[in-house]
Amino acid sequence: DAGVIQSPRHEVTEMGQEVTLRCKPISGHNSLFWYRQTMMRGLELLIYFNNNVPIDDSGMPEDRFSAKMPNASFSTLKIQPSEPRDSAVYFCASTTVRGGFQSTGELFFGEGSRLTVL
Amino acid sequence: AQSVTQPDIHITVSEGASLELRCNYSYGATPYLFWYVQSPGQGLQLLLKYFSGDTLVQGIKGFEAEFKRSQSSFNLRKPSVHWSDAAEYFCAVGINTGTASKLTFGTGTRLQVTL
Repeated sequence: DAGVIQSPRHEVTEMGQEVTLRCKPISGHNSLFWYRQTMMRGLELLIYFNNNVPIDDSGMPEDRFSAKMPNASFSTLKIQPSEPRDSAVYFCASTTVRGGFQSTGELFFGEGSRLTVL
Repeated sequence: AQSVTQPDIHITVSEGASLELRCNYSYGATPYLFWYVQSPGQGLQLLLKYFSGDTLVQGIKGFEAEFKRSQSSFNLRKPSVHWSDAAEYFCAVGINTGTASKLTFGTGTRLQVTL
C-alpha cells in the first residue's frame, strides 16, 4: 500500500518566491497534519484537517503561510512570499480518527519536503 | 496546554548495551503517549503507544516503554541496542479535541551507537 506521498522532496528557491508543497494522504484516512521540523524548534504542528476541514491552524507562523485540502486525497501548503527563515523540512501526516484516539492514534508520516530559501 | 520534555538531546551507547530514553509530559488529563523514531532523511515511524491499561507497553524492534503516572514519565527502553537503532527518537503526547486529535512532540533524542 502506498504511504503518505509528498512532493517535491527537495526545493531550493529564492527569497520572495512562492512555494507550494503537496501531500497525498493514505487512502481512507480522514485527518491530515502539516508539521515543520527545524533544528532550533524541533517538530511544530502547523495545521491539521479533519474530513477536509481545517480544525486548528494556530501553528501557522504568519499570513504568508496557507494550507488547503480541497478533497480527501490532496492537500497543499503554500508559502508566499518565502523567506530564508522558512527553510525547514515540512512533513505531512495522516491518520484515521473516529471519536479521537479510539482509532489507532498513529500518525503516518510522509518522507518530508526539504525547503531551502536562499 | 500539553507539553513533552526529552531532557537528553544526544545519547551514545555501545552496541549490545541497554538503552533508556527519558520522556516527561505535562497534561491535565489521561495522556495518550507515543514514541516515534526517525531515521536520517525519513519521516517518523511509530514504535509504540500507550492509551490505557497495562503500563508497560511493547513496541516494534524490541522496544518497550513504561508509563508512570506519579512521575509523569514514559521512558523508552531496549535491553540490547543494535547499530541499526541509531536514529532520532521522539516522544509525543496526544490529545483529543473532540473533532480531531493531534500530537505534540518533544524535541527529540539523537541516539548514536558505537561498535
